[in-house]
Amino acid sequence: AQKVTQAQTEISVVEKEDVTLDCVYETRDTTYYLFWYKQPPSGELVFLIRRNSFDEQNEISGRYSWNFQKSTSSFNFTITASQVVDSAVYFCALSRETSGSRLTFGEGTQLTVNP
Amino acid sequence: KAGVTQTPRYLIKTRGQQVTLSCSPISGHRSVSWYQQTPGQGLQFLFEYFSETQRNKGNFPGRFSGRQFSNSRSEMNVSTLELGDSALYLCASSPPPTGGAGGELFFGEGSRLTVL
Repeated sequence: AQKVTQAQTEISVVEKEDVTLDCVYETRDTTYYLFWYKQPPSGELVFLIRRNSFDEQNEISGRYSWNFQKSTSSFNFTITASQVVDSAVYFCALSRETSGSRLTFGEGTQLTVNP
Repeated sequence: KAGVTQTPRYLIKTRGQQVTLSCSPISGHRSVSWYQQTPGQGLQFLFEYFSETQRNKGNFPGRFSGRQFSNSRSEMNVSTLELGDSALYLCASSPPPTGGAGGELFFGEGSRLTVL
């Protein structure tokens, strides 16, 4: 069975602080995909990044960066110099190679960035 | 390019009734999947349709059903509503060639169902 754990239910920071959202996953598959999605108050989930299990390179996109470590089954997400617009719920998710659009989501982390 | 459109956005039903939710995917997307989001259970996969065929199904009772039309639009139906069915129902589409399978999902804003 697959499982994604986001231990941080809520995080509150002040604007311009760096913040890291943790994600730990469990799977027996050797090929799998990891994702991060953002859910603003409007409700739709917005895709941020996808990683396959064979690509452990860290990635940076503007103020966002992701650290994938298979050895610890973690896929953490860091926002540098946070902004109020980053306030949202962030979800980490996992899918199997053969599961199509079936994602297993973590519980989500509510990030609040205060001015 | 229009995004994923879900209708209705909000609806209120009473226990025992049934409800049909609609999803129009992004043009050219042939895979449509549905998720239920509740405070207690989080985001849970309901089912996925690809080219009018159900390709995957989550662990939900038979009261939850869906279908996909030839234009890729999808509907989901919940019969004999229970209080616990109150949730945000999210639809997502994904682009070819395979649809899903590790690909990016594009989500709609959801249909918020309240069961009284």
